[in-house]
Amino acid sequence: NAGVTQTPKFQVLKTGQSMTLQCAQDMNHNSMYWYRQDPGMGLRLIYYSASEGTTDKGEVPNGYNVSRLNKREFSLRLESAAPSQTSVYFCASSENGFGTPSAPLHFGNGTRLTVT
Amino acid sequence: GEDVEQSLFLSVREGDSSVINCTYTDSSSTYLYWYKQEPGAGLQLLTYIFSNMDMKQDQRLTVLLNKKDKHLSLRIADTQTGDSAIYFCAERGRGDDKIIFGKGTRLHILP
Repeated sequence: NAGVTQTPKFQVLKTGQSMTLQCAQDMNHNSMYWYRQDPGMGLRLIYYSASEGTTDKGEVPNGYNVSRLNKREFSLRLESAAPSQTSVYFCASSENGFGTPSAPLHFGNGTRLTVT
Repeated sequence: GEDVEQSLFLSVREGDSSVINCTYTDSSSTYLYWYKQEPGAGLQLLTYIFSNMDMKQDQRLTVLLNKKDKHLSLRIADTQTGDSAIYFCAERGRGDDKIIFGKGTRLHILP
């Protein structure tokens, strides 16, 4: 049971390059999320997808795009990377926020991205 | 807006109890969570409490909720070196599919 799988684990980009971070979950969860984690800032929500076919902006969406490819997969794209996007990116999933007694997030192990 | 606050650092001697505190602003919060992040890993759910509960105990972990003051705490009894990690408090609002995290408290264990 893999849970939430993120690829790649590490990436170094030059300013202006583009890349897509991949995320897949095998728990049949409806909701998926992308967070970034920076020292002293905790976790900040970039985008989320409450269900297949929907996406919404979180706290820090600028410079990113997302695609909910199907129920399992939720990708995060950086079209033109900037040094300010150097961070650790976490994908997460949960069953559903509506009418669920508890719906904790299940996290992947993160992608460590450096933009030079 | 919604906000979750917690202190950034806590040092505790091995064998003592650790108490990590958190305050939140959303009075409609339905669930409050504690997540643990070990170095180089993602977050893992430690425990959660429903907003109509005052306390929840799970082995060495005790969660206390003061809804009036919007204060949540996590007590770890008999703290071990393996408890060294960052602990995140998080809340989920009623009918809301988002979870808001605090900045995390780094727990350091002294020998």
